[in-house]
Amino acid sequence: GEDVEQSLFLSVREGDSSVINCTYTDSSSTYLYWYKQEPGAGLQLLTYIFSNMDMKQDQRLTVLLNKKDKHLSLRIADTQTGDSAIYFCAGGMDSSYKLIFGSGTRLLVRP
Amino acid sequence: EPEVTQTPSHQVTQMGQEVILRCVPISNHLYFYWYRQILGQKVEFLVSFYNNEISEKSEIFDDQFSVERPDGSNFTLKIRSTKLEDSAMYFCASSEFGGGSYSNQPQHFGDGTRLSIL
Repeated sequence: GEDVEQSLFLSVREGDSSVINCTYTDSSSTYLYWYKQEPGAGLQLLTYIFSNMDMKQDQRLTVLLNKKDKHLSLRIADTQTGDSAIYFCAGGMDSSYKLIFGSGTRLLVRP
Repeated sequence: EPEVTQTPSHQVTQMGQEVILRCVPISNHLYFYWYRQILGQKVEFLVSFYNNEISEKSEIFDDQFSVERPDGSNFTLKIRSTKLEDSAMYFCASSEFGGGSYSNQPQHFGDGTRLSIL
């Protein structure tokens, strides 16, 4: 079945770039999302990309999609302490309403 | 910015009791969803709802669960005869459109209801 995998933890220094990676198994994933979860809060939509795109940039966020390798990444430029959170990758398909989530990557930004 | 609101933020219930989790989706959204996240596990899809009927459900969403849109603004998840393993964070989400190639719009999530079954 469909699966989405992420590394569990990433630690970066404030001001550096962060790159959070995600792989998915189902090549029919049409759209891929990044959500951010701060402690005690819900899932905040950060950005998304359709499978007919290779890259999407939105201010400090850059999403890269490699369809051949089924690999998605989220780059956060000039990472700030307020970026510390759990980041979830999620995939959806044409044939379904559901999103399949990864386990989440905990990003820790050190001052 | 419009947001999905969920109440209560935390619900504690005795095993075997019924519980109703409430959600107010974003007002112009037509598709509604429930997900859950058991502590330490992935966020899992439960059900999607459109035009007053279930459009898709997972194998988790058995006869113990039901959803309803009782009026023009609320969307509820009812869990009958709760079990210990129903303890989880339950997220409601909504989207303007759902499914369909490239017409899909992102799902916006609420802050969740933490359900604790004792």
